[in-house]
Amino acid sequence: DTAVSQTPKYLVTQMGNDKSIKCEQNLGHDTMYWYKQDSKKFLKIMFSYNNKELIINETVPNRFSPKSPDKAHLNLHINSLELGDSAVYFCASTRMGEGTDTQYFGPGTRLTVL
Amino acid sequence: TQLLEQSPQFLSIQEGENLTVYCNSSSVFSSLQWYRQEPGEGPVLLVTVVTGGEVKKLKRLTFQFGDARKDSSLHITAAQPGDTGLYLCAGDPPGSEKLVFGKGTKLTVNP
Repeated sequence: DTAVSQTPKYLVTQMGNDKSIKCEQNLGHDTMYWYKQDSKKFLKIMFSYNNKELIINETVPNRFSPKSPDKAHLNLHINSLELGDSAVYFCASTRMGEGTDTQYFGPGTRLTVL
Repeated sequence: TQLLEQSPQFLSIQEGENLTVYCNSSSVFSSLQWYRQEPGEGPVLLVTVVTGGEVKKLKRLTFQFGDARKDSSLHITAAQPGDTGLYLCAGDPPGSEKLVFGKGTKLTVNP
């Protein structure tokens, strides 16, 4: 059973389109995250939700909008996609959102904007 | 913004060699984690160190947290091709709700 799952795994789209990535965790965790990993493998946090409430909102263009319908799901919607949005996006979850908690990562969604 | 500098960025060695990866900062962290990421997959936690000076061993991997909790190292003994991957350190800044990741060390162990 996959602990943190993401769909789709690959996403290729044209500039200007709107797309969504979905994430689900079956670990019963309270906190979920979206990370962006660029071509140089640098992993940077974008958003964090705790029990459906937005906790962390890094300096991310407002074209990116996370949505958490329940604490097991955290989706990411991106409007007006740009070339620079091409990256691998990882969803992750932790039990309580504390610094020593293990981050369980999904397999990633590789987004390519043409 | 607290930064974690990892070195080296790339490391290519032969099977059986030893290696050390470093994770340094000018800031103190409450704890530090090490992850390994394989191509096409998400990072997987290897270890969490919490106490300054702490040493943890995981088979051939030895992790150390600096006395001042500003740096950490990962030492691999007798590296094997299965150790190949991207090694990421991640620090937990005091009072922060997010981890800060280093840029990673890409390790290749050649048979």
